[in-house]
Amino acid sequence: QVQLQESGPGLVTPSQTLSLTCTVSGASISSGHFYWSWIRQPAGEEPEWIGRIYTSGITMYSPSLQSRIILSLDTSENQFSLRLTSVTAADTAVYYCARLVDRHLFDYWGQGILVTVSS
Amino acid sequence: QSALTQPASVSGSPGQSITISCTGTSSDIGAYNYVSWYQRHPGKAPKLMISEVSNRRSGVSNRFSGSKSGNTASLTISGLLAEDEAEYYCTSYTGSSTPYVFGTGTEVTVL
Repeated sequence: QVQLQESGPGLVTPSQTLSLTCTVSGASISSGHFYWSWIRQPAGEEPEWIGRIYTSGITMYSPSLQSRIILSLDTSENQFSLRLTSVTAADTAVYYCARLVDRHLFDYWGQGILVTVSS
Repeated sequence: QSALTQPASVSGSPGQSITISCTGTSSDIGAYNYVSWYQRHPGKAPKLMISEVSNRRSGVSNRFSGSKSGNTASLTISGLLAEDEAEYYCTSYTGSSTPYVFGTGTEVTVL
């Protein structure tokens, strides 16, 4: 059974960096069949795709966020991570990590973590 | 890339059938058969129900079915059960620089 679990601080100060980790169990992030992705959902809005990273480390980011995002892999821990710099209140959202298959299907998700940007 | 449009809420009595629509454009739903549907219960991870328009995920009840016509996809839940009460989201591949677009979400209530 594939499981994903987000972790990180629930409160981030404006202008600082949001850092989240997704721990994967039941599958290897080193497998060449999958991409690993982040999605967020502000309260009352639809989900928004943030970015994806392949096992090779190749990344693709949302054009609206790409200047502030870095995704990375830690194969030794079977984790992948998100760093979002210079955050504002607009970055307050529930952040989800998900496995992406065949570049079009999010087949497994984490339960999400609420991150609030506030001083 | 604009969000896919879903009704905010749909309700039905136990045993009834309901259909949730998901309207996009010729650049997303109309262009690809890569529409998927997710069920989300509060505090739980979203669960993939339907992929590629109409493929039911292994282990998902056959009461759930998906279809597409033009720029609109639909999820039908037949024989509604109390456990179906949840939020449902559609998503589509777009092939653009923002390759994934999500629906606005539909709250399903079992009366």
